[in-house]
Order: sequence, then structure tokens, then C-alpha cells
Amino acid sequence: EAGVTQSPTHLIKTRGQQATLRCSPISGHTSVYWYQQALGLGLQFLLWYDEGEERNRGNFPPRFSGRQFPNYSSELNVNALELEDSALYLCASSLTGSRYGYTFGSGTRLTVV
Amino acid sequence: KNEVEQSPQNLTAQEGEFITINCSYSVGISALHWLQQHPGGGIVSLFMLSSGKKKHGRLIATINIQEKHSSLHITASHPRDSAVYICAVRSGTSGSRLTFGEGTQLTVNP
Repeated sequence: EAGVTQSPTHLIKTRGQQATLRCSPISGHTSVYWYQQALGLGLQFLLWYDEGEERNRGNFPPRFSGRQFPNYSSELNVNALELEDSALYLCASSLTGSRYGYTFGSGTRLTVV
Repeated sequence: KNEVEQSPQNLTAQEGEFITINCSYSVGISALHWLQQHPGGGIVSLFMLSSGKKKHGRLIATINIQEKHSSLHITASHPRDSAVYICAVRSGTSGSRLTFGEGTQLTVNP
């Protein structure tokens, strides 16, 4: 069974551009979570999608947005990129409900120059 | 103060040593996760706990809900155990999202 897949693995963008990151959850998982890990910092919660809806949002500006498609895959969009957006972006998926564990993807490393 | 505190931040051990990493949290939780992150960033979920103790191979995780504390133990440590170990909690007030500790960098020398 395929794990959580993220693409691309690396992405280099210029300040002011937009970045789109993609995540495919494990088959059957309906929840997708996005996390940011900036250099030298811990993981920070970005967004949670479940059944196509945004369920929760972390303390990030509106230029961080996303969506979940009917097949439960998800996109994270970052508009008007800033240098401090350079980070590892991790996606995780789970079944809905707090009693289920998470499976993490390998991440997309975004570099803003 | 962070909701999730880990100690130590860095840990160096010799191969074969018994290792303990601690995690304390300040919120009510529905579950606690121990994660392993290797260089390059990929994260592996090691354990999800809501009570008691779990064991997988050389790894043991315990949780004390009353004391809001969890420990991750590694027996007979090996250089391949070198990684960052992260404690994360799922609290009742934050829905399904995780709140993470800062991580413990473990280096096991041969």
C-alpha cells in the first residue's frame, strides 16, 4: 500500500511568487494535515482538511491556503512568497477521529530566494 | 511556556546504552504521539498512546496521564537510531491537529 506522497520533493521560488504543494493521502484516509517546519524551529500546524472541508487552521496569514479534492488529495498554496516561508512542509493523513494515528509524507522542501 | 516540553534537547550515547527521552505537556490530551525524523525530513510515527505502555522492538513508550508525562525508551541503542525524536499531543481543544515538542536530537556513536 502506498504511503502519503508529496510532490514536489524540492521547490525553489522567487520572493513574491506563488508555490503549490501537493499531497496524496493513504487510501481510505479522509483527513489531511499540513505542517510547516522552518529551519531551526519545531513543527507548526498549518491546516486540516477533512471530507473536502477546512476544519481547522493554524496561526498563519491568509496567503497560506489550500483545498481538498473529492479523492481526498490536497493542495497547499502559498501566495506572495516571503523569504521566511522557506521550510519543510509536511503532509499527514489519518482516518477521521482522534483515536486514529497519523501517517506522514516525506515533505516538500520549499526554498524562497 | 510551550504546551509540550521535551528533554533533553540533545543526547549523545554510546552504542548499546539505554536511552530515555522525556515529554511533559500542560493541556488535556486525547492522544500522545512519538515521532522519529531522520535527516532529510521524513517523519515516521513510532507510537500513539492514550494510556499505559506500548512496545515495538527495542522501543518502549509510556504515558502517565495524571502527571501529564510520557517517556520514550530505546534499549540497546544503535547508530541507526540517530535521529530527532518528537513528542506531539492531540488535545481536546485543538481538534485533530497535533502540537509538537521541539524535538530531541539523538546521536548514537559506535
